[in-house]
Amino acid sequence: DVKVTQSSRYLVKRTGEKVFLECVQDMDHENMFWYRQDPGLGLRLIYFSYDVKMKEKGDIPEGYSVSREKKERFSLILESASTNQTSMYLCASSLFHLAGGPGFFGPGTRLTVL
Amino acid sequence: QQPVQSPQAVILREGEDAVINCSSSKALYSVHWYRQKHGEAPVFLMILLKGGEQKGHEKISASFNEKKQQSSLYLTASQLSYSGTYFCGTEYSGGGADGLTFGKGTHLIIQP
Repeated sequence: DVKVTQSSRYLVKRTGEKVFLECVQDMDHENMFWYRQDPGLGLRLIYFSYDVKMKEKGDIPEGYSVSREKKERFSLILESASTNQTSMYLCASSLFHLAGGPGFFGPGTRLTVL
Repeated sequence: QQPVQSPQAVILREGEDAVINCSSSKALYSVHWYRQKHGEAPVFLMILLKGGEQKGHEKISASFNEKKQQSSLYLTASQLSYSGTYFCGTEYSGGGADGLTFGKGTHLIIQP
């Protein structure tokens, strides 16, 4: 059964902390994505990567960075967490050159920044 | 350039039909449809590429109108299990590596 897994389902952090969100996929997909989901705003793309050590900014990259050292793992980093980064974070992966999908999403990490 | 979904929400009785629209102001390469149930991750339903017309299964299908830059998702004879939030994700260039731009979602509630 193919999977995208995320390191935590729920996370509570304090303002100013450095936060790491990990995502692992076992489908040998080239593309990996980080989205955040907020009520009334839908899913918004933060960063994506189409190859190891490659990264591209999405629509809302400010305050975030990413790391992709291995094909199966894509990490989202909040350098200094702020309360407006409280959100649901979803990781996804897809095959390259297949119209960006189908995409498989992880279960999500609900991050609360106090 | 987030695509616009309509309606925002719809409540149906089991067995009724529903149509969800997704419109873009920018030329589309593909449209992807997902369904998300409360507390779960979005699940892929189908992709429509430009040049294609309609695809899907018996009761859930979708169309892609290139002239209007619009896609519609059709749910016929809806079942309780169809309840959830439907998102369209749009892709503006080919290659598959740009990520999707999602609409804000359409909440579908099916009542017995």
